[in-house]
Amino acid sequence: KAGVTQTPRYLIKTRGQQVTLSCSPISGHRSVSWYQQTPGQGLQFLFEYFSETQRNKGNFPGRFSGRQFSNSRSEMNVSTLELGDSALYLCASSLWSRGNSYNEQFFGPGTRLTVL
Amino acid sequence: AQKVTQAQTEISVVEKEDVTLDCVYETRDTTYYLFWYKQPPSGELVFLIRRNSFDEQNEISGRYSWNFQKSTSSFNFTITASQVVDSAVYFCALSEASKLTFGKGITLSVRP
Repeated sequence: KAGVTQTPRYLIKTRGQQVTLSCSPISGHRSVSWYQQTPGQGLQFLFEYFSETQRNKGNFPGRFSGRQFSNSRSEMNVSTLELGDSALYLCASSLWSRGNSYNEQFFGPGTRLTVL
Repeated sequence: AQKVTQAQTEISVVEKEDVTLDCVYETRDTTYYLFWYKQPPSGELVFLIRRNSFDEQNEISGRYSWNFQKSTSSFNFTITASQVVDSAVYFCALSEASKLTFGKGITLSVRP
């Protein structure tokens, strides 16, 4: 079974630009979550999508947005990039989560974004 | 708010030594899940274990073992007879609905 895939793996942008990252979950997984990893802040939750609906959102500005398609593939977009957005962006998929019943999340290799 | 504390930041051991990675968590939920992930230099987070709050049984998987103690809000991870391939960053995480709250991670270096 193929794992979580993320494209592109590396990206270099300049301040003010916008960027779109893509994530394809494990086949059959309907929940997709996004995380930002930086040396200073560690791993921080961005948002989670399930059946094309955003179910949970972290404390990030509105410049960070996402969506999920009917095939469970997800994209996240960052507009008006800032230097501080340089990070490893990780996508994770899981079978489902219902209330407090939780399935483990499987992570992709990440997209390393550098903002110059 | 949920919180995960991994007080150790870096640990260095010689191969074949046993090493324990500590994790302390805070939550007001009565039902929750705890996780350990490994992040090798390649960057991908690898799932190691999930434990729910109602199951305090310790678990052993090969050289890995986990000790969950609800009374002290701890979920510690021990690697027995460490190997160079165990060198990685290890994260403890706590679930809150569909969100994982991670600790800062522990960098483990295993020297030959």
